[in-house]
Amino acid sequence: NAGVTQTPKFQVLKTGQSMTLQCAQDMNHNSMYWYRQDPGMGLRLIYYSASEGTTDKGEVPNGYNVSRLNKREFSLRLESAAPSQTSVYFCASSEAYPGLIPNEQFFGPGTRLTVL
Amino acid sequence: KNEVEQSPQNLTAQEGEFITINCSYSVGISALHWLQQHPGGGIVSLFMLSSGKKKHGRLIATINIQEKHSSLHITASHPRDSAVYICAVSPNFGNEKLTFGTGTRLTIIP
Repeated sequence: NAGVTQTPKFQVLKTGQSMTLQCAQDMNHNSMYWYRQDPGMGLRLIYYSASEGTTDKGEVPNGYNVSRLNKREFSLRLESAAPSQTSVYFCASSEAYPGLIPNEQFFGPGTRLTVL
Repeated sequence: KNEVEQSPQNLTAQEGEFITINCSYSVGISALHWLQQHPGGGIVSLFMLSSGKKKHGRLIATINIQEKHSSLHITASHPRDSAVYICAVSPNFGNEKLTFGTGTRLTIIP
């Protein structure tokens, strides 16, 4: 099993460009998450998806959109990139529906994004 | 919103030393997570616990629900333990919106 995979690993964008970060998991997990990690700050939730077909905002959703394409895939889109979105982005997944029991989250390798 | 604080922020120790990293939180939780992140690397879940103590190899995690405090211990530390250790908490039967601490950077010198 590959676990959680993310593409690309690195990306450089110019201000105003758009891009989509891809995430896939092969563990048949229901829930998927997108986080950003910035120096000196804890991981912050951008969006999450409790199940296929549903998405919800996290702590820092502005400037991002997501799509839960199917149970396996959860993509994050930057429509018009800004330098403030320079960060490392992590996708994660967990087994059960949120709110029932706490679940371990499994993280992807991360995407390092620089916006010039 | 739960506030999660870790201490120390940075820790340097000699190989073989016993290591303790602390985590405290402000609001009741359903579970606490300890994660490990190697430099330039991904994030790996080490433990998820709701009460008591868990052990895996040289790593031990404890939690005191009444005190809202958890510790991560590493026995017989080794340079390969050098990493950032992150504490995160799951809300009380709400959802899986984890709140993360800022991490403790551990360096083990041979």
